[in-house]
Amino acid sequence: DAGVIQSPRHEVTEMGQEVTLRCKPISGHDYLFWYRQTMMRGLELLIYFNNNVPIDDSGMPEDRFSAKMPNASFSTLKIQPSEPRDSAVYFCASSLTSVPNEQFFGPGTRLTVL
Amino acid sequence: AQTVTQSQPEMSVQEAETVTLSCTYDTSENNYYLFWYKQPPSRQMILVIRQEAYKQQNATENRFSVNFQKAAKSFSLKISDSQLGDTAMYFCARTQAFRDDKIIFGKGTRLHILP
Repeated sequence: DAGVIQSPRHEVTEMGQEVTLRCKPISGHDYLFWYRQTMMRGLELLIYFNNNVPIDDSGMPEDRFSAKMPNASFSTLKIQPSEPRDSAVYFCASSLTSVPNEQFFGPGTRLTVL
Repeated sequence: AQTVTQSQPEMSVQEAETVTLSCTYDTSENNYYLFWYKQPPSRQMILVIRQEAYKQQNATENRFSVNFQKAAKSFSLKISDSQLGDTAMYFCARTQAFRDDKIIFGKGTRLHILP
């Protein structure tokens, strides 16, 4: 299996622009998680899905952030409009059923908003 | 707030030595899961070891073992015979509750294994 795939690996954009991060979970996994990692706040859970349905989005920082999972093999995290404080590494992870099963993380997308 | 605290932001040890990373947490639950994740320079997060709170026996995975002290809410990771490839950020994490899908991560400890 190829593991969790994220694209792009790096994104540099200007403030105000729309940013879309993409994730393909491991085939057969029914949970998908979006995390954000910064030096100041560490690793934060933004939102997670079960069987393509958003279960908890309480970690989404603002209305500028939105996430979708149109099917079992694809999810997006969108920021519109982006701001410099959104600069971070964004991780997608998937798991087979729920915790305590291991969450498999993607390589992350490093986002820089200028 | 229910938190996970890693009091050692950074550590360095010589190759082949044993090192212990500390983790304490706050919870009102009786059953939950605890984890240690490793993040090497490649950024890939990898599960190192997992502990179920209702199990008395400490989990082990090859050179990695934990010291789980439930009453003290402590969950330290011991790495024996450390290797250069162990250089990474290590994150302690726990579920909010036994059946909770969410994991709360600590801020991490950066571990350097020196040749």
